[in-house]
Amino acid sequence: NAGVTQTPKFRVLKTGQSMTLLCAQDMNHEYMYWYRQDPGMGLRLIHYSVGEGTTAKGEVPDGYNVSRLKKQNFLLGLESAAPSQTSVYFCASSSGQRKSPLHFGNGTRLTVT
Amino acid sequence: DAKTTQPTSMDCAEGRAANLPCNHSTISGNEYVYWYRQIHSQGPQYIIHGLKNNETNEMASLIITEDRKSSTLILPHATLRDTAVYYCIVRGNTGNQFYFGTGTSLTVIP
Repeated sequence: NAGVTQTPKFRVLKTGQSMTLLCAQDMNHEYMYWYRQDPGMGLRLIHYSVGEGTTAKGEVPDGYNVSRLKKQNFLLGLESAAPSQTSVYFCASSSGQRKSPLHFGNGTRLTVT
Repeated sequence: DAKTTQPTSMDCAEGRAANLPCNHSTISGNEYVYWYRQIHSQGPQYIIHGLKNNETNEMASLIITEDRKSSTLILPHATLRDTAVYYCIVRGNTGNQFYFGTGTSLTVIP
């Protein structure tokens, strides 16, 4: 099983450009999450989804949008990138059961110049 | 929202047990405690989780206090490959969110 796959792995954007990060999971998980991690810091939750067609805000949602049109995919969009969005972005999924752990992808390293 | 507190860094001699503490005093009665580790900038790796009783798997042991306000992750025989940042996390109040703190940076010394 591939688990959680994130694309792309690396990306450089100029300020004001837009892009979409794709997260795909093949474990039939209901819940999916987007986190960002800045240097020397822990992970902060951006948005999450508890099922197809539903999304919710996390700790740091400003400047990002998400969509969950298919159960296996969770997209994170940056409409107008800013240097403050330079970070490593991690996607995770879980089955949604109370004791179910998170399964993480390997991250997307985004630099905004 | 339930949050956790961990020491910023710890050292451990290779071959010795590494004991990583975590405070989660606001945890609710039916919430699990989860432990993850992150090596370099890879995605966090799940280690173990528990509710009330002590747990053990092939990677580690988890000791949860009776009042559930704190826990300790034990790596019984630390190796150099265990050098990583270890996160203790609980779910948020809605049950849908997982909050990470800054974790404990464990350095295993030869």
